Amino acid sequence: DTAVSQTPKYLVTQMGNDKSIKCEQNLGHDTMYWYKQDSKKFLKIMFSYNNKELIINETVPNRFSPKSPDKAHLNLHINSLELGDSAVYFCASSPRRGRRDGYTFGSGTRLTVV
Amino acid sequence: GEDVEQSLFLSVREGDSSVINCTYTDSSSTYLYWYKQEPGAGLQLLTYIFSNMDMKQDQRLTVLLNKKDKHLSLRIADTQTGDSAIYFCAERTAVGAGNMLTFGGGTRLMVKP
Repeated sequence: DTAVSQTPKYLVTQMGNDKSIKCEQNLGHDTMYWYKQDSKKFLKIMFSYNNKELIINETVPNRFSPKSPDKAHLNLHINSLELGDSAVYFCASSPRRGRRDGYTFGSGTRLTVV
Repeated sequence: GEDVEQSLFLSVREGDSSVINCTYTDSSSTYLYWYKQEPGAGLQLLTYIFSNMDMKQDQRLTVLLNKKDKHLSLRIADTQTGDSAIYFCAERTAVGAGNMLTFGGGTRLMVKP
């Protein structure tokens, strides 16, 4: 199946822990993204990587560190987790700029910090 | 800065048409999209429209774009209970070497039998 896949689907962890979410796409897209969806369903971009290069970094605490080992993978590492980090995190990918295709989203990782 | 707005809720009866509205602010947007999110699921691309078009029809879906007023709408004909979901409009804008989607807050569509 061609898709954007992210793991884990659910993540429950205690405050102060460090955790990672992994994302992989096999669509041959050049650009990958992390979006955060809060409890009110607002979706906000966090990061974007194009061919392993960071191109968008919104005002995200530096406890969040994206890593892109190659253009098919974009992982998100979060240090010192806080209650406010609880949200659903979506990975997405898109073809290069200028193409009409929308983004393809993963199914999301629901992070709960207790 | 970019800001995309939608009404929060819409309730319709099965078989009626649904119209979901959206306003955006970035006049340089090239493409505008509609995504659907069912409970506990990811975002599914429904349709898109290029900024030089006024209308696009795709089966039960009709997208209307008023670029002057920066207004986008999605009409779903013969709405079914399976259409109950949150619908997000999004504008795509260039950012440096790449692009990003800015989403509206989502419209929760409830279809009553």
